[in-house]
Amino acid sequence: TQLLEQSPQFLSIQEGENLTVYCNSSSVFSSLQWYRQEPGEGPVLLVTVVTGGEVKKLKRLTFQFGDARKDSSLHITAAQPGDTGLYLCAGAFGNEKLTFGTGTRLTIIP
Amino acid sequence: KAGVTQTPRYLIKTRGQQVTLSCSPISGHRSVSWYQQTPGQGLQFLFEYFSETQRNKGNFPGRFSGRQFSNSRSEMNVSTLELGDSALYLCASRFTGQGNEQFFGPGTRLTVL
Repeated sequence: TQLLEQSPQFLSIQEGENLTVYCNSSSVFSSLQWYRQEPGEGPVLLVTVVTGGEVKKLKRLTFQFGDARKDSSLHITAAQPGDTGLYLCAGAFGNEKLTFGTGTRLTIIP
Repeated sequence: KAGVTQTPRYLIKTRGQQVTLSCSPISGHRSVSWYQQTPGQGLQFLFEYFSETQRNKGNFPGRFSGRQFSNSRSEMNVSTLELGDSALYLCASRFTGQGNEQFFGPGTRLTVL
């Protein structure tokens, strides 16, 4: 069974601060995705990374896929209240089902 | 293009009853997956359907079943409901051939009393 551990589980920081969320596994994934979920809604895809060492930027969000394709990180610069939500990583093996991480619940305090 | 829709949005049932949830994928998406989300277990995969056939299945008991119709719409059924089945049930669709990028619906909140 492939497991994806996310850390921290909970994170509460002040608006304007920077933060990093981690996603780790003992398994190698063919691709990894990050989602954000807000209360009462389904997860929304933020990014997909497929190449070891790949870095993708989405405005203030920076995503990195580990060289060995077993881990990933999400860095947010100058966090804003609109960044509040549950962040989920999800790994896939080829075209098989996605395995979701345990989640990081982020709260940005104005 | 309309997103993934799920009905109903909220449902209250009692133990022992059964329930059917419905999902309409994004037009052109032929793959539909179902997930259960709870505070304790997180987001867990139930099953995936593609062209009316179950392609993948998670580790859930046989009380959980699903099907897909020729128009790609999908239903999920849970029989003999238990208190632990209370959860947010999410449906996701994807356009196969473009990776595993899934588009989620808003979910159905099921409460079992």
